[in-house]
Amino acid sequence: NAGVTQTPKFQVLKTGQSMTLQCAQDMNHNSMYWYRQDPGMGLRLIYYSASEGTTDKGEVPNGYNVSRLNKREFSLRLESAAPSQTSVYFCASKILTVEKLFFGSGTQLSVL
Amino acid sequence: KNEVEQSPQNLTAQEGEFITINCSYSVGISALHWLQQHPGGGIVSLFMLSSGKKKHGRLIATINIQEKHSSLHITASHPRDSAVYICAVVYGGSQGNLIFGKGTKLSVKP
Repeated sequence: NAGVTQTPKFQVLKTGQSMTLQCAQDMNHNSMYWYRQDPGMGLRLIYYSASEGTTDKGEVPNGYNVSRLNKREFSLRLESAAPSQTSVYFCASKILTVEKLFFGSGTQLSVL
Repeated sequence: KNEVEQSPQNLTAQEGEFITINCSYSVGISALHWLQQHPGGGIVSLFMLSSGKKKHGRLIATINIQEKHSSLHITASHPRDSAVYICAVVYGGSQGNLIFGKGTKLSVKP
């Protein structure tokens, strides 16, 4: 099993460009999450999907959109990147509400 | 809003020392996670607990629900334990209600 696969690992964008971060899990997990991690702050939830076909906003959703394409895949899209979106992004998944989280390896995104 | 406070922020230890990292939170929770973030950035879930104590190898996690406090202990620390340790709490019934602490950076010197 690959676990949670997240791509790309690194990306540099110019302000206004768009991109999609991809995440896929092969553990048959129901719930998937997108977090961002900034220096001096805890991980913050951007969006989550409790099950296939549903998505909900987290703490910091502005400037992002998500798609839960199927049970395996949960993508994060930046339509018009801004320097404030420079961060490290993590995808995560788990089976149920109170279960261990499994994380992808992270995407380091820089917006110039 | 539930706040999650970790202490200390930074910790340097000598190999072999017993290490304790603390996590306090302000409202009722259903569970608490301890995570390890390696220097390369990857995050691994160490424990998820809702009461009592869990042990895995040299790592021990405890939680006191009444006191709203959890500790992560590392016995016989080793340089490979050097990482950032993150506490996260699950509160409410929503899937999105997971609040993370800012992490404790541990460095174990040989």
